[in-house]
Amino acid sequence: GNSVTQMEGPVTLSEEAFLTINCTYTATGYPSLFWYVQYPGEGLQLLLKATKADDKGSNKGFEATYRKETTSFHLEKGSVQVSDSAVYFCALTEGDNQGGKLIFGQGTELSVKP
Amino acid sequence: EPEVTQTPSHQVTQMGQEVILRCVPISNHLYFYWYRQILGQKVEFLVSFYNNEISEKSEIFDDQFSVERPDGSNFTLKIRSTKLEDSAMYFCASSDFALTDTQYFGPGTRLTVL
Repeated sequence: GNSVTQMEGPVTLSEEAFLTINCTYTATGYPSLFWYVQYPGEGLQLLLKATKADDKGSNKGFEATYRKETTSFHLEKGSVQVSDSAVYFCALTEGDNQGGKLIFGQGTELSVKP
Repeated sequence: EPEVTQTPSHQVTQMGQEVILRCVPISNHLYFYWYRQILGQKVEFLVSFYNNEISEKSEIFDDQFSVERPDGSNFTLKIRSTKLEDSAMYFCASSDFALTDTQYFGPGTRLTVL
């Protein structure tokens, strides 16, 4: 079945450091890929998405590129801030299955120190 | 900006009791979902709902669970006889697949079963 694997956390960085959170997936068909963020005590917010191979999703300085050849969707940010401290979830939904469920990775906790 | 809302934010119940978790999806959305997140674990799909019927459910969603859209705005998840292992954060989500496959999440209801 379809699945998502993320690098384990927690990840601790200093402010202005470069961030990479790895995400790989296994899927049949042509999934859409997502990054959701969960700030402390809050729900899930969509951070960015990509719907087909080589698409790049971006938002708030975060980027991720849909790599079909490596089945990856790694999240990157050039300079993190303390306010980026949160749990980040990679997820997929099957692109050819309208209304299909999201399948999440296990989440990666990011802690940014001043 | 339209958002998904959920009530209550926190529900405490005794084992064996029935609980109803409520959600108001975004008004023009047609697809509705429930997910849960046990503390420290990944977000798991429970059920999807479209056109007044369940379109998909996970193996977690057994006979103790039911969903309903009692009117034009609410979407509910009922657990008939709660167990300790039902303690989790429950998220409602909605989507309008005619425009995008993005699912928008509510803030969650934290269910504690004692």
